[in-house]
Formats: sequence, structure tokens, C-alpha cells
Amino acid sequence: DAGVIQSPRHEVTEMGQEVTLRCKPISGHNSLFWYRQTMMRGLELLIYFNNNVPIDDSGMPEDRFSAKMPNASFSTLKIQPSEPRDSAVYFCASSLRVGREKADTQYFGPGTRLTVL
Amino acid sequence: AQSVAQPEDQVNVAEGNPLTVKCTYSVSGNPYLFWYVQYPNRGLQFLLKYITGDNLVKGSYGFEAEFNKSQTSFHLKKPSALVSDSALYFCAVRTSNSGYALNFGKGTSLLVTP
Repeated sequence: DAGVIQSPRHEVTEMGQEVTLRCKPISGHNSLFWYRQTMMRGLELLIYFNNNVPIDDSGMPEDRFSAKMPNASFSTLKIQPSEPRDSAVYFCASSLRVGREKADTQYFGPGTRLTVL
Repeated sequence: AQSVAQPEDQVNVAEGNPLTVKCTYSVSGNPYLFWYVQYPNRGLQFLLKYITGDNLVKGSYGFEAEFNKSQTSFHLKKPSALVSDSALYFCAVRTSNSGYALNFGKGTSLLVTP
């Protein structure tokens, strides 16, 4: 089985540019998460989708960040305009959530390492 | 609020020796506890989780963890360490009445020397 797929794996851009990160979750999973990993703050949840609907976006830093999930097999995280402090590793994770239980296991993609100069 | 603490930044162990990576948690309600491993430039890989039932949980690659409610701990263990076990290990927690995010510890770097 293919795991969670993310692209690109590395992105280097200049401040002010738009950045789009992509994620394909594991087939059959109904929940998708975007996390950000930095040395200072560790792993933080940015946004959570369930059945393609954003449920919790309280972790999105500011209006420069937006995320979409147009269908069950694709999600994007966009930063516009990007800033140097956005440099981090961005992970996508997916899970199969049954009912209201929160015991589902999240499976992570390889991440996108973003560097904003 | 819910959180996990990993008190050791780094753990060093010789190959063949048993290893323990420590994790303690603080939650209101019953915890769901997870261990993940991260190899350099890779994503997080799921190792095991505790939901309910038997306090000793067995997972991938020979790892196991013991849930201890009185000590609010969920330490990761392996009877015989391999050099290839060297990686960054994360403990995470969630509860049935919490948000959707996994709350991760800051990670513990495990170094297994030949």
C-alpha cells in the first residue's frame, strides 16, 4: 500500500512568493491533518479535515495560510505571501476515524522541507 | 489541557542492551497514548498505541510500551537495541474529550552504539 504522499519534498523560495504544498492521503482514510515541525515549537497541528470538511483550523498561524481539500484524495496547504519564519517541515497525516472516537492512528507522509529566504 | 513530557533529550545505549525511552503524560480523562519514530529526513512512523485494556502494548520492530496509570507514564522499551534503532522518538497523547490534534512531546534522540 502506498502511504501518505507529499510533494514537493523540498521547496526553496524567496520571501513574498506563494508556496503550495500537496498531499495525497492513504486511500480510504477520512481524516487529514497538516502539521508543522520546527526546532523551537516541535510538532504543531495546523488544520484538520474530516470527510473533506475543515473541522479545526485553530492552529493556522494567520491569514497567509490556507488549506483546501477538494476531494478525498487530495489536499493543499498554501502560504501567500511566504516569510522566512515559515521555514519548517510540513507534514501531512491521514487516518480512518470511526464515529466520534479519537483512538485512530495517524499515518504521516515524508514531509516537505520549506525554506523561505 | 493535555500534554506529554519526554524528560530526556538523548538516550545512549550499547547495541544488544535493553533500551528505555521515557514518557509521562498529563490529561483530564482517559488517555490515548502513541509512540512514533522519526528517521533523518523522513516522516514519523507509527510504532504502537495504548487505547484500553492490557497495559503492555507490543508494536513494530520489537518495541513495546507499558501504560502505568498510577505513575502517568508510557515508557517505550526494547529488550535488545540495534544500531538501526538510532532515531528520534516521539510520545503523543490524545483523549476522547480533547481536540483532534495529537499532542507530541519534544522528542528523545536515541543513539545505539556498536
